[in-house]
This record gives sequence, structure tokens and C-alpha cells, in this order.
Amino acid sequence: DSGVTQTPKHLITATGQRVTLRCSPRSGDLSVYWYQQSLDQGLQFLIQYYNGEERAKGNILERFSAQQFPDLHSELNLSSLELGDSALYFCASSGAESYEQYFGPGTRLTVT
Amino acid sequence: GENVEQHPSTLSVQEGDSAVIKCTYSDSASNYFPWYKQELGKRPQLIIDIRSNVGEKKDQRIAVTLNKTAKHFSLHITETQPEDSAVYFCALFSGGYNKLIFGAGTRLAVHP
Repeated sequence: DSGVTQTPKHLITATGQRVTLRCSPRSGDLSVYWYQQSLDQGLQFLIQYYNGEERAKGNILERFSAQQFPDLHSELNLSSLELGDSALYFCASSGAESYEQYFGPGTRLTVT
Repeated sequence: GENVEQHPSTLSVQEGDSAVIKCTYSDSASNYFPWYKQELGKRPQLIIDIRSNVGEKKDQRIAVTLNKTAKHFSLHITETQPEDSAVYFCALFSGGYNKLIFGAGTRLAVHP
């Protein structure tokens, strides 16, 4: 167990809908990262937040957005969902100025 | 952008043999190189990492070597066991992009 939690574990929704994925980092970690992993694919970095502020951006679609709240949990919002958005979404956290990232168990999103 | 090439994409070995996975990169400013193990449907798990001021690091049956001049780093697993079967991802921290960049992964199968 990495200490990073994610909810929900599974999510099934229809095309065009909007969903919110939630992540709580390890106690004391200030950074949260979001990744997308499609079937049999690698890890695609989406976005990073550090202590509430956006720090780095990857290949995140305009339909996707994220935020980090004062209690350091983060939410990833996915809207106008398409079939191709079906994937595992992981969040990871790391400590202040630390490179080591620890991953949560992921949320499996299925868009039908 | 920054890229990490990982080889081979699949690796099949007999139990007790050694396995070696290699990654090459181009950004000479990279200074942190972790390896992650991901079992089917589970989260990526940090198994070992190395920083640019170190050439080799070992943890029981796992070792990582780094050649900064040639810009490649490798994961070595000795005395492989069936439970080592998983997908292994190399990564590096890109200072220029301020994020971890992952290789495409190596699917390792250890046959009893």
C-alpha cells in the first residue's frame, strides 16, 4: 500500500457525460500527479499540482481539468467523454522537492 | 520533446535466469532515474531508483546501472522468479520539462 488513495475504483459512464476522479496523496506530500494508461499502453503524464498550484502540464486534453484543494486532495474532471477516454487513471504523490512518486491504485474508467 | 526508449518490449526467461532491460535517453540534464514494476491491473510500484551522481545501485536481486556519458541506464534482475513477471517501466526526471517521463514498458515473463 503506497498511502495514496483514489476513488472510485471503477466508473462506467456513457459518451458525452462528465465524471470526477478523486485522489488523496500520502500524508505530508505536497505534489499530486495525474496519469492516463490506456489498454496495454504506457503511462501518459497529464498534469501536476504542487501545494494547490499547477506546476507542470503534459498531454492533457482541453476537455479535462484538475485542481488541488487546500487539504491537498486533488480532483480530475473529465467532460464530454468519448470512447477513447476509457483507461486507467492513476494519481501519484511526492514529497516537497522529492523526485520519488508513489502511485495510487487507480480508477478504471469505462465509457460506453 | 524528451524521449526515453526502452528495450526490449517483451522478454521471456526461465526461472533462475537473469533479465536485463535497457533505456536510452537524450536529455543530459536528467538526474533521476526510477524503475517501476506494474502487475496486471495494479498500480505502478517504485522498485529501485538511481541518481546521476551514482553509477550503480543494488537491492537484493535487483540492480540498476547508469552510464551518463552514453546516456543509458539498465535494470538487472538476477535469479528470476515467476512473481517477477510483470511490466517494467523505466523513467527519468526531465528538468527541462519538470516531470517524469516514462519508457513504453517491458513485459517480462518468467517461466517455471
